[in-house]
Amino acid sequence: GIQVEQSPPDLILQEGANSTLRCNFSDSVNNLQWFHQNPWGQLINLFYIPSGTKQNGRLSATTVATERYSLLYISSSQTTDSGVYFCAVDQTGANNLFFGTGTRLTVIP
Amino acid sequence: DSGVTQTPKHLITATGQRVTLRCSPRSGDLSVYWYQQSLDQGLQFLIQYYNGEERAKGNILERFSAQQFPDLHSELNLSSLELGDSALYFCASSVGGSLDEQFFGPGTRLTVL
Repeated sequence: GIQVEQSPPDLILQEGANSTLRCNFSDSVNNLQWFHQNPWGQLINLFYIPSGTKQNGRLSATTVATERYSLLYISSSQTTDSGVYFCAVDQTGANNLFFGTGTRLTVIP
Repeated sequence: DSGVTQTPKHLITATGQRVTLRCSPRSGDLSVYWYQQSLDQGLQFLIQYYNGEERAKGNILERFSAQQFPDLHSELNLSSLELGDSALYFCASSVGGSLDEQFFGPGTRLTVL
């Protein structure tokens, strides 16, 4: 199956700082999604972004499908941004969703 | 609150047993997805149903099965349970049928002793 790699694996930020999370994938995809799992385990869909750029408040995401990567930007981070961020891809022809291993973000007050 | 409900929240059982997890999608959503999250395997997509029909299949074991009923709720059946099946099982739902934007339930934590 497709390989989905996320970096960095862990990130510690001071509140108010900005960050960029990366997701690389090894094959062509139909779509890509970013999820946030909060410290209580709840999974929240952040972006459905097969290509281009989307913004939602302090978060934005860019996917460059031809170069097989996606970036998630978090600006002015808050403690509530802590948790694990996953990207997941729908590999072309596979009809399956493959997850990366996640980036664990800790935002310190 | 995503609007997706899952029951039970916790389940403790023994090896060899069978359990059923239940999921009710958001109002208006036709697709239901099941995921397993374990420490060693990470997050894995198991299966998707769309309007009662299986639409996509992931890493679902043969001991596991799922179905979606006419009222669109779904059940995931896990049988001949092993210690390694201990995990958090999530259900998600979406409007369409093509692995699109999904909304997750709170999960069912299964512990197999």
